[in-house]
Amino acid sequence: VQLVETGGGLIQPGGSLRLSCAASGFSVGGNYMNWVRQAPGRGLDWVSTIYGDGSSFYSDSVKGRFAVSRDDSKNTLFLEMNSLRVEDTAIYYCAGGSSWSHFDNWGQGTPVTVSS
Amino acid sequence: DIQMTQSPSSVSASVGDRVSITCRASEGVSNYLAWYQQKPGKAPQLLIYLASTLKSGVPSRISGSGSGTEFTLTISSLQPEDFATYYCQQAYSFPFTFGPGTKVDVK
Repeated sequence: VQLVETGGGLIQPGGSLRLSCAASGFSVGGNYMNWVRQAPGRGLDWVSTIYGDGSSFYSDSVKGRFAVSRDDSKNTLFLEMNSLRVEDTAIYYCAGGSSWSHFDNWGQGTPVTVSS
Repeated sequence: DIQMTQSPSSVSASVGDRVSITCRASEGVSNYLAWYQQKPGKAPQLLIYLASTLKSGVPSRISGSGSGTEFTLTISSLQPEDFATYYCQQAYSFPFTFGPGTKVDVK
């Protein structure tokens, strides 16, 4: 199983960014997929979850600004991030597994820096 | 939202020591509690799920217990590879929440 995140970078406040998480040896559409972030020197912060049936859930801090989706044909998970704020600066991890209750497999993370 | 706390926030220990970390939830989460280990510069790794089920491949010196609002992660005999930060996470209800972490370092 391998999850590889891409798409992070430096972005100005108010900007948009789209993160991708490509999976191998693992079906994005057949599992519960999540985004978790970690601000510099801080703990883990759950961002979003998407179920196999397409149901999605968000933390209050990103609701209305971020959107999770997936492309089953490409076995890839996405996180569309809009109206980015300085406090969104973090390493963003995708994580997933066969159960909704825990995060079995993790990617290596992609860094997002929101700064002017 | 369910708030998660961990104690201690850090612990200094030696190889061979028994280490226990407590995780408390602000309301009952049944057994929907997972534990993760994270080493510097690396992604977290799942250790335990459903409060006490060891993920395949995780050494048996690591164990979890508890239910409701209080949970414990125990390392029976600390090994060099166990120095890391440990996080608990509840999945009883959205938003999922993590504890603030417990750093286990060398005494």
